[in-house]
Amino acid sequence: TQLLEQSPQFLSIQEGENLTVYCNSSSVFSSLQWYRQEPGEGPVLLVTVVTGGEVKKLKRLTFQFGDARKDSSLHITAAQPGDTGLYLCAGFMDSNYQLIWGAGTKLIIKP
Amino acid sequence: NAGVTQTPKFQVLKTGQSMTLQCAQDMNHEYMSWYRQDPGMGLRLIHYSVGAGITDQGEVPNGYNVSRSTTEDFPLRLLSAAPSQTSVYFCASSPAGTGTYEQYFGPGTRLTVT
Repeated sequence: TQLLEQSPQFLSIQEGENLTVYCNSSSVFSSLQWYRQEPGEGPVLLVTVVTGGEVKKLKRLTFQFGDARKDSSLHITAAQPGDTGLYLCAGFMDSNYQLIWGAGTKLIIKP
Repeated sequence: NAGVTQTPKFQVLKTGQSMTLQCAQDMNHEYMSWYRQDPGMGLRLIHYSVGAGITDQGEVPNGYNVSRSTTEDFPLRLLSAAPSQTSVYFCASSPAGTGTYEQYFGPGTRLTVT
């Protein structure tokens, strides 16, 4: 069974603080996607990382793909209440055309 | 473009009833999928389709049927609803040829089975 473990499962911090969410697996992925989901809505794609060691930035969000393409992290700088949501990672395996989902990190940013 | 649309938004069923969740996309995506989302379990794949006329089972297919007669539509049928099928259901589409299988999700259907 292929697993993608996200940590932490839940994080509640004050506005202005920094945070990191992790996504780890023993499997190698050809790419990894990060999504954000707000209550009552479907997940929305934030970024896809493809190359081992790749770093992508989306305003205050920094995404990194591990060198071995087994793990990824999402770092948020100076978190804002608008960052509140469920963050999901998903690893794509083109060997069997499967998308493996993490269970998600529920993030709450308090004003 | 409307993207991926789902109906209904909410539904309550009694055990044993059947119903169809509708999904449509206007992006001409080849791939479409149905997921269910339960607290603490992330998204689990029910069925998927790589093109019109082609469907396959995902991780949790039991109790559900799908068909794909057109590129745009991918309905999900619950044959005989059970309380274990209480969940939020998401339809997603993905363009072929990108090599990354990025998903575009609909707004979801919240289903309660009593």
